[in-house]
Amino acid sequence: AQSVTQLDSQVPVFEEAPVELRCNYSSSVSVYLFWYVQYPNQGLQLLLKYLSGSTLVESINGFEAEFNKSQTSFHLRKPSVHISDTAEYFCAVSPLRGNTPLVFGKGTRLSVIA
Amino acid sequence: KAGVTQTPRYLIKTRGQQVTLSCSPISGHRSVSWYQQTPGQGLQFLFEYFSETQRNKGNFPGRFSGRQFSNSRSEMNVSTLELGDSALYLCASSTSGASYEQYFGPGTRLTVT
Repeated sequence: AQSVTQLDSQVPVFEEAPVELRCNYSSSVSVYLFWYVQYPNQGLQLLLKYLSGSTLVESINGFEAEFNKSQTSFHLRKPSVHISDTAEYFCAVSPLRGNTPLVFGKGTRLSVIA
Repeated sequence: KAGVTQTPRYLIKTRGQQVTLSCSPISGHRSVSWYQQTPGQGLQFLFEYFSETQRNKGNFPGRFSGRQFSNSRSEMNVSTLELGDSALYLCASSTSGASYEQYFGPGTRLTVT
């Protein structure tokens, strides 16, 4: 079975400052990794995903995440945040093989302060 | 393409009643998964349907059930509602299945009084 730990439940950061949201996972098999974002009163939107290949993946709005197999981590980073990035961010994992559903972390609430 | 739609968006029910939630997936997506989101438990998987068959089931009591129709639309039913069933119920669709990239709807906010 897989599990996901998001180490910070809340992260406040000033506008234009860098941010890192941490995600560690546990799995005995190879995995797919995802970051989702949830804005208030909305569903989840896929931010980025790691399936295979390059360990650094990027989103269209400036976020990036790096898959680190040895540390079983998939931290999310952005060099300069905007007010509009205020949201809850969820890390998720699923095994490469089989059809086991995504397992989500508890989420990290990012608050960008003007 | 239109996204995943869920109806209704908000619902208030009384303990003991039953409720049915509806989800229309993205056109061409055959997999529909349901999740329950609460502040305490986070996102918990309920079940997945693929081509009208339940392929995965989470750890929820039998009061929670679902089905999928031939057009891939899905419904979720909760019978004998309890206060603890108050949550945001999210539907997600995918081309391939529950392990893959999921596209989520806006959710149905259920309040049980």
